[in-house]
Amino acid sequence: EVQLVESGGRLVRPGRSLRLSCAASGFTFGDYAMSWFRQAPGRGLEWVSFIRAKEFGGTTEYAASVKGRFIVSRDDSKNIAYLQMNSLKIEDTAVYYCTRERTYRDATGSTTEAYDLWGQGTRVTVST
Amino acid sequence: DIVVTQSPDSLAVSLGETATIHCKTSQSVLYTSNNKNYLGWFQQKPGQPPKLLLYWASTRESGVPDRFSGSGSGTDFTLTISNLQAEDVAVYFCQQYYSTPDTFGQGTKLEIK
Repeated sequence: EVQLVESGGRLVRPGRSLRLSCAASGFTFGDYAMSWFRQAPGRGLEWVSFIRAKEFGGTTEYAASVKGRFIVSRDDSKNIAYLQMNSLKIEDTAVYYCTRERTYRDATGSTTEAYDLWGQGTRVTVST
Repeated sequence: DIVVTQSPDSLAVSLGETATIHCKTSQSVLYTSNNKNYLGWFQQKPGQPPKLLLYWASTRESGVPDRFSGSGSGTDFTLTISNLQAEDVAVYFCQQYYSTPDTFGQGTKLEIK
């Protein structure tokens, strides 16, 4: 079955660190870019971070709100993506989703990427 | 960052009728080189992750019923759900991926009247 399963979320104090994992199965994980999103209680969706496939350099990007604190990585041998979250703040409280970014191509050769596969999410609560 | 605004925040529609959700971006998400709008629509049911419905503003993801259609270009877009079914109750988000960071609308909650 094609799926993503996040884990690692829990209650943590402000200023502490946490590492989230995203285990992929059912597809060739290394071929895909992976992203992390979050959704705070009663709020919309926020893109957090992105890591390209090794074929494209495995480079990373971050939202301004987490840059310098969060680190995304991947282990293609284990089919896992990670989100290392440091110096956590109360406003980092959210459900965190990992997603697969699939490339779509039309008959004219135009391409785009879209988030076609999402995990069920893992809840991170930052509180005193 | 591109700001994405949806309207209405919520709506109630009778079964079998048509629901219309609007999405406006603060700048154009149309790539003139290929005439594609880099806008997507997602459906999120309670307790579930978002599900991709449409990309390029109007191209349905595989398996999405043709009751779901998208239109618009530039900065103004519409998601139309025809012949509304009970299973369509959800929050719907539009998302621009024209420029980083990807940004989402605040969501529109769709209920049955």
